[in-house]
Amino acid sequence: KQEVTQIPAALSVPEGENLVLNCSFTDSAIYNLQWFRQDPGKGLTSLLLIQSSQREQTSGRLNASLDKSSGRSTLYIAASQPGDSATYLCAVESNQAGTALIFGKGTTLSVSS
Amino acid sequence: GAGVSQSPSNKVTEKGKDVELRCDPISGHTALYWYRQSLGQGLEFLIYFQGNSAPDKSGLPSDRFSAERTGGSVSTLTIQRTQQEDSAVYLCASSSLLGEQFFGPGTRLTVL
Repeated sequence: KQEVTQIPAALSVPEGENLVLNCSFTDSAIYNLQWFRQDPGKGLTSLLLIQSSQREQTSGRLNASLDKSSGRSTLYIAASQPGDSATYLCAVESNQAGTALIFGKGTTLSVSS
Repeated sequence: GAGVSQSPSNKVTEKGKDVELRCDPISGHTALYWYRQSLGQGLEFLIYFQGNSAPDKSGLPSDRFSAERTGGSVSTLTIQRTQQEDSAVYLCASSSLLGEQFFGPGTRLTVL
């Protein structure tokens, strides 16, 4: 059974710092991995999708990497801003398209000005 | 609309009542998913629809939960005889064949 773990559960940093959020999964037979952002009381916003054949994806100040064989992904946030404060969720889709996502419990990020 | 929409945004009901939650997916998306997010818990999968195929109901927690998707578009999640442990945020997502899932804002259900 696929399990997704995110470390740390919470992180506080001053504005301007670069930071890394970690995600690990137990079954390497994944179709893709998706990073989401969730603001309090809101739904999920998709940040980056990495297909199993890819090693990384970039969007603005965000870079997500995937090491499928070791069951790990990282989300790198450059030059953090207070507006980045949110919960970041990692989710994997099993080895075929169109199946349910298995989520980690998230990392809650607080960026202070 | 451009994104996934859900209604109502908030629902307060009494224990034992039935509730219906609605999801409008992104136009053209063939797959539709329901998830539940409980306080202190992660997001858990409930049910998945793909085109005209039989839905994957493997995540439904009990037979009080059911869902249907009419015309391959709008979906309704029904919870019968609600219990306090059903209180949660119910999230709907849709995706195209490429697999990236897009989520709606959710329905916050409170069972008194």
